Amino acid sequence: KQEVTQIPAALSVPEGENLVLNCSFTDSAIYNLQWFRQDPGKGLTSLLLIQSSQREQTSGRLNASLDKSSGRSTLYIAASQPGDSATYLCAPPRGAGNMLTFGGGTRLMVKP
Amino acid sequence: GAGVSQSPSNKVTEKGKDVELRCDPISGHTALYWYRQRLGQGLEFLIYFQGNSAPDKSGLPSDRFSAERTGESVSTLTIQRTQQEDSAVYLCASSRGQGDWGSYNEQFFGPGTRLTVL
Repeated sequence: KQEVTQIPAALSVPEGENLVLNCSFTDSAIYNLQWFRQDPGKGLTSLLLIQSSQREQTSGRLNASLDKSSGRSTLYIAASQPGDSATYLCAPPRGAGNMLTFGGGTRLMVKP
Repeated sequence: GAGVSQSPSNKVTEKGKDVELRCDPISGHTALYWYRQRLGQGLEFLIYFQGNSAPDKSGLPSDRFSAERTGESVSTLTIQRTQQEDSAVYLCASSRGQGDWGSYNEQFFGPGTRLTVL
């Protein structure tokens, strides 16, 4: 059974800081992992899909890394902005159907 | 192109009533997933469709929950005899994926249906 833990659970920072969000998972037999953001009362927005063969994936100010052997993924956010305020979720897939298992998320607040 | 759409966006019902939630996936996406998020809790998987078949229903919490998909497109999640613990946001996602272990595709989520059972 896949279990996902995200640290920290909440983070409040001033605008402009570089951030590190951590995700750990128990079943390392995964080929990829997806990061999402969720705004209050909204659905999930896909940020990055990182394949294990890639080890890193970048989109704008976001960079995600994946280390299967240690069961960890990290999301880096550079030069944070108030618009980055949201809950960030990591989700490794499981099973032949690639069902996602979610962590509790990191609730980020970026203050102007 | 349109994203995943869900209807209704909000549903308030009385305990014991049946409800139907609808999901329209992205056109051409063969895989479709239902998840739910109860207040203060993480997202949990309910059911997965590949085409019109449901190879994995392991997340459905009870036999009051059922889902179907037709035309490899729209899916309906039905909850019979609703209970207060069914109150949650029900999210649908779709992907191009064929369900193969090595060919995972990115999942795209709809805005969700907020269900409140009084």
